[in-house]
Formats: sequence, structure tokens, C-alpha cells
Amino acid sequence: GAGVSQSPSNKVTEKGKDVELRCDPISGHTALYWYRQSLGQGLEFLIYFQGNSAPDKSGLPSDRFSAERTGGSVSTLTIQRTQQEDSAVYLCASRFVGEKLFFGSGTQLSVL
Amino acid sequence: GNSVTQMEGPVTLSEEAFLTINCTYTATGYPSLFWYVQYPGEGLQLLLKATKADDKGSNKGFEATYRKETTSFHLEKGSVQVSDSAVYFCALRTQGGSEKLVFGKGTKLTVNP
Repeated sequence: GAGVSQSPSNKVTEKGKDVELRCDPISGHTALYWYRQSLGQGLEFLIYFQGNSAPDKSGLPSDRFSAERTGGSVSTLTIQRTQQEDSAVYLCASRFVGEKLFFGSGTQLSVL
Repeated sequence: GNSVTQMEGPVTLSEEAFLTINCTYTATGYPSLFWYVQYPGEGLQLLLKATKADDKGSNKGFEATYRKETTSFHLEKGSVQVSDSAVYFCALRTQGGSEKLVFGKGTKLTVNP
């Protein structure tokens, strides 16, 4: 498809386990963002990739969170030793320089 | 730091009512301002934007004017429809450096027939 694709759409895990969330941006989009959407908290910026530049990791809430973007395309957000407060919808978005942001449908993460 | 504050919801209106959702921002420099909308079961999508002071963004009957003097970007629509029921997010993006979008907490709008 032509949109931003995220997988899985839903993930249920046990506290303490690691999870990996995947984002396939729109082909050719150089910028990729990860956000977290929690109930009543709006969208929280996590990390931003732009081309070959060093990513802006200023939004990652703890060192349990990490992300990489391989080959300037697919990105993986990894959460280690998940906690219940990590439960949220994780959104990926991409755009080309100067253009609007396109969001994926998100991954609903539930930590039991 | 950069931040966006928007009116808390939920907002419930009858069809054809006038809508205002307030949004104010704090930012260094001259940010671009946006309204995003999230319809039930769908992903966020851009509704409108303004990139400099006094610009008016408009789309689907919605309007917002970039007011530098009051650091505001209030969303308005003269006559809402049931299909406008959604969550609306105000956002800013600063120029240069890391061009991350900073979002408000969102305002849920429900329009009843």
C-alpha cells in the first residue's frame, strides 16, 4: 500500500518482556517519527530520524526504549523489560522534506 | 521548551452549531502551526496548517489563524456536522534543527444530530 504501515496492530505482553514494534514508512520519505499516544496524555514525541543525520532521541522516556532505522527505510522501536505504564498506542509517521506528516494506524501495546 | 496547550474536552455540540477549539503555544523562534484530526478508527491526518503570522489555514470548512501577538491558533467552524466527530490535535513545528512536531493533548468533539 501507499501509506505508513505498522505492525503488529495489537500486542499484548507480560511485564518484564521485551517488545519490538515495526514501521514501514512511505517510500522515499526521508523523515520518520515515533510518537506515543496515551489516554488523556495526547501525543508524546519519542524519536525522530532524518536521512543520515543523527536521530533526535530527546523524547525517549528511559533507556529501556531504543529505536533504529535501517537503510533509511524501515524502523523498529524496541522496549526492553516492559512496564505497565508502557501501555499505549505507538504511532509512526513519515514525511518528505517540507511536506505534511503521514501517520500509520499505530500499534496498541498492552502490558499485563 | 516548546509546548502546546489546547482546551480540554470533551466537547459536545448539536449539528449546525458553531465550533471553537482553543489552542495556544509556547515556542522559540517562529514555528509552523497545525491542526490534525483523528476520526474514529482512523490514523491522524493533517487538517490545516499555517506557517507564518497572520496566515489562515482552512480545509473542510474549518479555519484557524496564526496569531503571533496572542500565540494562538484557535480552530473554528461555522456549522459542524455529525461527520466532524473526532479528536482534534493542535501542533507546532519549530524551524531548523530537529523538526519534530509537538502536539497538544487533543480535544474530543462529538456532534449529535
